[in-house]
Amino acid sequence: GIQVEQSPPDLILQEGANSTLRCNFSDSVNNLQWFHQNPWGQLINLFYIPSGTKQNGRLSATTVATERYSLLYISSSQTTDSGVYFCASRAEGGSQGNLIFGKGTKLSVKP
Amino acid sequence: DVKVTQSSRYLVKRTGEKVFLECVQDMDHENMFWYRQDPGLGLRLIYFSYDVKMKEKGDIPEGYSVSREKKERFSLILESASTNQTSMYLCASSFSVNYGYTFGSGTRLTVV
Repeated sequence: GIQVEQSPPDLILQEGANSTLRCNFSDSVNNLQWFHQNPWGQLINLFYIPSGTKQNGRLSATTVATERYSLLYISSSQTTDSGVYFCASRAEGGSQGNLIFGKGTKLSVKP
Repeated sequence: DVKVTQSSRYLVKRTGEKVFLECVQDMDHENMFWYRQDPGLGLRLIYFSYDVKMKEKGDIPEGYSVSREKKERFSLILESASTNQTSMYLCASSFSVNYGYTFGSGTRLTVV
């Protein structure tokens, strides 16, 4: 099945800094999503982005499907951005229900 | 905004009990999913449903069953709870297979 790898596994930032999180996937995909899991365990959908670029406030994401990677940009980070960021994807032709999650990037933003 | 509601935030059950985890979504989504999340193993799909009364096994269906009698409700059933089913259970829904998922807030189940 498809492999989803995220980097870095851990990231510590000072408040106000910018960061880039990376997601590599091993196959062509028809579904690519980014999630933020807050310290209480809630998973929040940030972007559905199988290709192209999207922006939402201080967050933006770019997926280059032909090169099999996606990037999540966080600008002017805040302490509330702390948590774990997951990338998840489904291979073209893969089981319809099975979105495969990466292991996540744990982000800590210090005041 | 779509809301996905899981009936319990924390649950403690005894070994051998039959356990029901309930999930309700309010936006007429076709697809619903049950995942479990464990340290070091990440999120793994247990079952999903793409229509009423339709279900498909995910990666780890053993020891679980599901029920979807109405479009808005997807129930996960632990037929005979065991300690290795202690985990965080997350329900999600999506409009269709190539749309974003919305997750509930999770149920942290402890089996003693």
